Parts: sequence; C-alpha cells; structure tokens
Amino acid sequence: GNSVTQMEGPVTLSEEAFLTINCTYTATGYPSLFWYVQYPGEGLQLLLKATKADDKGSNKGFEATYRKETTSFHLEKGSVQVSDSAVYFCALTTRGTGNQFYFGTGTSLTVIP
Amino acid sequence: DVKVTQSSRYLVKRTGEKVFLECVQDMDHENMFWYRQDPGLGLRLIYFSYDVKMKEKGDIPEGYSVSREKKERFSLILESASTNQTSMYLCASSLYPQPQHFGDGTRLSIL
Repeated sequence: GNSVTQMEGPVTLSEEAFLTINCTYTATGYPSLFWYVQYPGEGLQLLLKATKADDKGSNKGFEATYRKETTSFHLEKGSVQVSDSAVYFCALTTRGTGNQFYFGTGTSLTVIP
Repeated sequence: DVKVTQSSRYLVKRTGEKVFLECVQDMDHENMFWYRQDPGLGLRLIYFSYDVKMKEKGDIPEGYSVSREKKERFSLILESASTNQTSMYLCASSLYPQPQHFGDGTRLSIL
C-alpha cells in the first residue's frame, strides 16, 4: 500500500540554523511527492513537489530531492527564519488512486530568534 | 488563483445535532476531499469524491456522510454530532496529477 513516514517533532532551531526533516515513503506504482506547510490557524499550502526520480523541488529556500533508491524525500533549508515556524507535511499520490493523497503525521518546527 | 472556501472558520454545536460543513472550489476540479486533523494524528481522510454524486469512504467514515450535488460543492454531514468529533476539518480539491488545494479549515467544537 501507500504510506508516508516523517520524523517526529517538535523540532526547535535557532534562527539561521540548517533544517532537515526526514520523509520516507512506501508506494504501489510510481508516486509524485510533495511537501506542504501549515501556518497556525490556516489550512495546508503546497511548499514544493517532485514528480519523478532525481527531481528537485524548491521554493522559498526549501529544497527536497526525490530519491527512488532510498524511497526518500527529505526537506532541507540552509538558514531558517522565525517566519518558517509551522507544521510541515510530507505527502504522496499515485496514478489510479483518484488523486488520493497520503500524508505523514506532520513535523512541527519552531524557530527561535 | 486557486480557491477552496469552507463556510465557517469556527463552529460550536451540541451533542446530537445534525451538522453541515460546506466546501466550495472554483477550479472545476473533479476530486474533492474531507479530512480531519487532530494533534499527533496528522490528517485522516474521511470521504472523497471523484465526480458529481460519486463518493468513496476514506479511513474514518463512521459517523459522517457526504453530499456532492454540484461539481464545485462538497458537503460533510455529521448525522448526530458527538464530542469525539470535535476537531479541525479540512477540505481539499484537485485535478490529477496536480497537488491538492486546501481550504483554511473549520474548527468544530461539539459540546
């Protein structure tokens, strides 16, 4: 079946620190991979995506590379800001599932000045 | 720009009431979804719909039903609300293979 496992939080970092949030997946078929971000009191927003192996998604300084050999899609940012404090969700979808998405449980990030 | 609108940001209802949560999208998307979000549990899929009048159960459909009479509108119904249905409810829509787009959520409290 399809599932996503991401590192548990919460994660607390100082401003300008390096961020990694691990995400691994299991999928039947060939998935597309996504990272979503949820700011307090809001819905989920798409952060970045990758649709095939070795693709790198990037947005707002965040990056993630689709690694088929390790079934991973780790989120990274070189220098976090206080405004990056949010909950981050890794997700996948595959053809034939009606565009059903499978989400990880989310990782809460707090960045302190 | 893509827009998914949920009818209420906050809602307070009483045990036993029939509760309707409404979601409207303006992108002509075929697929629509209802999730609930609880601390430590992430997003759990309640129901989804491929097309008008079509519906499929998700992971936790018990105690819920849905209605999709028009393509742009997907309603979640709590037939007889209970306190364990207090949660954040999120609606999303999509057109394969594009990402799902989410509304801002409805925080529902059942007293």
